Amino acid sequence: DIQMTQSPSSLSASVGDRVTITCRASQSISTFLNWYQQKPGNAPNLLIYAASFLQSGVPSRFGGSGSGTDFTLTISSLQPEDFATYYCQQSYSIPSTFGQGTKVEIK
Amino acid sequence: QVQLQESGPGLVKPSETLSLTCTVSGGSVNSGSYYWTWIRQPPGKELEWIGYIDYSGITKYNPSFKRRVTISADTSKHQFSLRLTSVTAADTAVYYCARDDYGGKGDAFDMWGQGTMVTVSS
Repeated sequence: DIQMTQSPSSLSASVGDRVTITCRASQSISTFLNWYQQKPGNAPNLLIYAASFLQSGVPSRFGGSGSGTDFTLTISSLQPEDFATYYCQQSYSIPSTFGQGTKVEIK
Repeated sequence: QVQLQESGPGLVKPSETLSLTCTVSGGSVNSGSYYWTWIRQPPGKELEWIGYIDYSGITKYNPSFKRRVTISADTSKHQFSLRLTSVTAADTAVYYCARDDYGGKGDAFDMWGQGTMVTVSS
């Protein structure tokens, strides 16, 4: 199985901050990398697919980049509704696997 | 607007079989370009992909479930189902059904059910 490792596991930030979350795959996955946001008690919500494509309806302050083994999710200006847990997921090979999550908390 | 909704027992005894159904409204499990998928999340832990069924009935499973899992579909009812045998406490989790858009979004899960909590306990 391909292991997905996110960093940091958690971070504290203020409204308006630029936030960067990284995800590393244990082997090359091209751009088969997706990002999700999950709020407590809710299902995950797709933010970014194929490493850099913004899902319809997702605010443009979210952006993704990377290829191969190293990927980044960036929130350009953190908003109150962005405090949540973020997961990366590889869709390169079966079984699809997720990172352990990055919890973004209010500073 | 496609919506997914899980249903099934919230409590299952150890060694018994967990059975859940996902009803797809506003769409069909016959649709090409999608895999109809089950994913679970143990309390406080990360997400785990269980497997999927496609429009033609082809299934793929996570090998970690060691043949305990079966996914099936009833196209007439717009439903697909999960069956997990010989459950233990380690199978306690929120179970999600989701749509995997392999045709347009590179296998991203673009639609999810709200999730259903299943507890394995005697």
